[in-house]
Amino acid sequence: DQQVKQNSPSLSVQEGRISILNCDYTNSMFDYFLWYKKYPAEGPTFLISISSIKDKNEDGRFTVFLNKSAKHLSLHIVPSQPGDSAVYFCAAGDGAQKLVFGQGTRLTINP
Amino acid sequence: SAVISQKPSRDICQRGTSLTIQCQVDSQVTMMFWYRQQPGQSLTLIATANQGSEATYESGFVIDKFPISRPNLTFSTLTVSNMSPEDSSIYLCSVDWGRGANVLTFGAGSRLTVL
Repeated sequence: DQQVKQNSPSLSVQEGRISILNCDYTNSMFDYFLWYKKYPAEGPTFLISISSIKDKNEDGRFTVFLNKSAKHLSLHIVPSQPGDSAVYFCAAGDGAQKLVFGQGTRLTINP
Repeated sequence: SAVISQKPSRDICQRGTSLTIQCQVDSQVTMMFWYRQQPGQSLTLIATANQGSEATYESGFVIDKFPISRPNLTFSTLTVSNMSPEDSSIYLCSVDWGRGANVLTFGAGSRLTVL
């Protein structure tokens, strides 16, 4: 049972435009959500997170939106830059330090 | 920021053999987590390694296949035993540095290919 799903395996966006990555979850016990970014041959690095008591968190060019009723979160990157090209994982936790990850979305920013 | 070092970074292994992956962190941590990423798949938690006690395994993972050691607060090993091609994956260790709720920091991973 895939509790966290990223239905788009890849996304291609033009430099300077907005990138929107989506993630759905099924477990209503999740109370914390995170986005990780992964370059080839490197481990995932933490990007941004949001608690279930919020519906938006912003950090520079990155904004995460949470819609609890729809069990959906999204990551917006604006403006997109070539260095943003990577695989993005969403993850969810229930406070127990263990994270459940989605399958990842490969984002390619085209010049 | 704190550093997590894993080795080997990659290896090619023969079916039926075992390989031990090492994870060294430069600060003491209570819990270390071992994840697996099979090709094209999500990261899946294998087990949580606590210093001074047996590791706690997730559903679908057993100690005989993935024995874990945690001799001190800065080091852990994961062994992949009696390997088959299905064990070809990236294995990652991670720790919680206390940066915030559920924020884990990952090592670079160990990419194993089993022939």
